[in-house]
Order: sequence, then C-alpha cells, then structure tokens
Amino acid sequence: DAKTTQPTSMDCAEGRAANLPCNHSTISGNEYVYWYRQIHSQGPQYIIHGLKNNETNEMASLIITEDRKSSTLILPHATLRDTAVYYCIVSPKAAGNKLTFGGGTRVLVKP
Amino acid sequence: GAVVSQHPSWVICKSGTSVKIECRSLDFQATTMFWYRQFPKQSLMLMATSNEGSKATYEQGVEKDKFLINHASLTLSTLTVTSAHPEDSSFYICSARDSGAPQDTQYFGPGTRLTVL
Repeated sequence: DAKTTQPTSMDCAEGRAANLPCNHSTISGNEYVYWYRQIHSQGPQYIIHGLKNNETNEMASLIITEDRKSSTLILPHATLRDTAVYYCIVSPKAAGNKLTFGGGTRVLVKP
Repeated sequence: GAVVSQHPSWVICKSGTSVKIECRSLDFQATTMFWYRQFPKQSLMLMATSNEGSKATYEQGVEKDKFLINHASLTLSTLTVTSAHPEDSSFYICSARDSGAPQDTQYFGPGTRLTVL
C-alpha cells in the first residue's frame, strides 16, 4: 500500500475552516484515499473517502489533486469537538479495506 | 452511520489469565472484521483480519496461538488474549467492513482497554 505523509500537528481556530493536507505521491490507480479521525481514547471514526473526484458529506470535504499525489481534508467550520488525530490512509478498496495507519495529524481546535 | 460495539470497554486481569473481547456489528452484516492494537501515544497496528466462517489471517509478528480470533457469525467476532501478561496491556480496537453499503467502508468499535497486572 502507498504511504502517506501528514503534518504532525496543527492548530485551528474555532469556527474557521480547517484544511488538513496529505501527501501520497506513490498512490496507485486502484487505491482510494480514506480519512479517519480518533478522538482521545475512542475508536477511529470514518470521515470520508474518494478515488479521484472531490467528495463532500455532512462532516467534511475531500479535495484530491488531479495527479492524485496529494489531498486535503476540509472541515468547513471547526468546533472544539473536532479536536482529534486525523489519519489519511490509502488503500485498495478491493483488498477487504485493510487499512494501515500512520502517525496522523494531531489537530487542536482553539476557542 | 454503521455502528460497531465492543464488550467490555475495559478489563483488568491478573497475569496468566485469558480475556475475551467481543466485537459486534449492530446494524449490518460484516463478512470481514479486523482487530487492531494501540499502545499509548502510538498509532493503530493491525493484528489480524477475521473472515466469517474461516480462519483469521494474522499480521507478521502477531502470535496466532496467543491472540485467538473467532468469527462465527456475520455480526460477531471475538478476540481472546490467552495467558495475558503485562506487556499485553493495550487498547484493542475492532472494526467491521460494511460491504453492503454504497460506501463499502470500515467502521470501528469504541475500543477495549486491557490492563494486565
């Protein structure tokens, strides 16, 4: 599976959009980009995933570059409850959704 | 979204005893479930993939005789930590693949914190 690179940490202002970058330069054609987050001492929560088109749901938007080598997760209006570790993962959808977690980005939303 | 539960949420046991952790998909059927382990300040590490009705597939370095996995139904997988020792103390998290949903993605349980004394 392709590896991902994310910033170790970032701070965001409450009420503002939070843009979380992820590099996946070795992604292959059949690999999807998944985003999960983990709030302290809880199991990871699914946020969104996509292949090459931009995706949006009630939680976030996922912007994937045309060459698919990087993506950005956008939380449109960050709240204090969005403080968590965010994981960007690439995985072939057909592989039983086996997910390999990296270090993620520790996001702190500040008032 | 799909809901996955785990039981117990935390357990404390004596060294040498066995502990069973249950993982249930509450509103969907899961032919595939996964077991992860997370040590403090570290990321999740996949331990094994559990397929309903067949033997689990373990990741390299995970002892299959120590971590027994049973996936006897489409909604239940169990992980038994046999002869637990203090180094097995960790946060164990399961997930289940909802292949029937349009998104075909993986949903996680809330985790089980195991402390071995």
